[in-house]
Amino acid sequence: DQQVKQNSPSLSVQEGRISILNCDYTNSMFDYFLWYKKYPAEGPTFLISISSIKDKNEDGRFTVFLNKSAKHLSLHIVPSQPGDSAVYFCAARGRRQGANNLFFGTGTRLTVIP
Amino acid sequence: DAMVIQNPRYQVTQFGKPVTLSCSQTLNHNVMYWYQQKSSQAPKLLFHYYDKDFNNEADTPDNFQSRRPNTSFCFLDIRSPGLGDAAMYLCATSRRQGNNEQFFGPGTRLTVL
Repeated sequence: DQQVKQNSPSLSVQEGRISILNCDYTNSMFDYFLWYKKYPAEGPTFLISISSIKDKNEDGRFTVFLNKSAKHLSLHIVPSQPGDSAVYFCAARGRRQGANNLFFGTGTRLTVIP
Repeated sequence: DAMVIQNPRYQVTQFGKPVTLSCSQTLNHNVMYWYQQKSSQAPKLLFHYYDKDFNNEADTPDNFQSRRPNTSFCFLDIRSPGLGDAAMYLCATSRRQGNNEQFFGPGTRLTVL
C-alpha cells in the first residue's frame, strides 16, 4: 500500500528546458511534502519542501506545486542543467504529533541531455 | 564538514550470519533513523531513536534491532539475515522529533549469500 507514488520511473529532458516531476499521494493526513535528490553512491539530499497550507514554494530554479484536492504535487526545474541528472524522491510527512515517519515514493530518474 | 557517515559502504554476509551496520553523525542531531531500500522501491523506515528513546515501526521484523550508545553513533543489527534482507540501508538524522528535514548518509549495500 504505497501511500506516495511516483508513476514515472524515468524522465529525459533537453538542457535548458523545463523538467516536471510528478508525485501523487493517497493519505489526506499528510501535512508536509519534501523532495530529495540522489546521486549515485550518495545518500538522498534535501532539495525543497512545501507545507500543506501553501500551494507553491520556489527556490531558485526549483518550484514545488501542491494541489491538495487532487492529492498531487510536482517539482519544476527550469532551466534544467546536466548537473540536475539524478534520482528524485518525493516524500510526505504524516500529521501525527512528533511525527517522524517520512513516506517516500519510488523515485524518478531525471536525465538532462546536454 | 558536518555529516552522516555509514560504514561499511558494502557488506557481504552469509545467510543466517549476524551482521552489524554502523552509522555516525557529526551534526549533533537528536534523532537518528534507519531506512531499508530495496531495488526500485521507496526507502522504508525501520525505526528511529529520539535521543535514547527507541521507536520501532509496527511492521519492522524482529530480526532487525538497533542500538544507540551515544548521540553520535547508531547501529543496525540483523540477527539472522535472509536473502530477502539484501538491500541498501540508509541512516538519517534530524534536529528534533517532528523536524521535517532529514540528513542522509551514503548508505550501506548489504548482500546476503
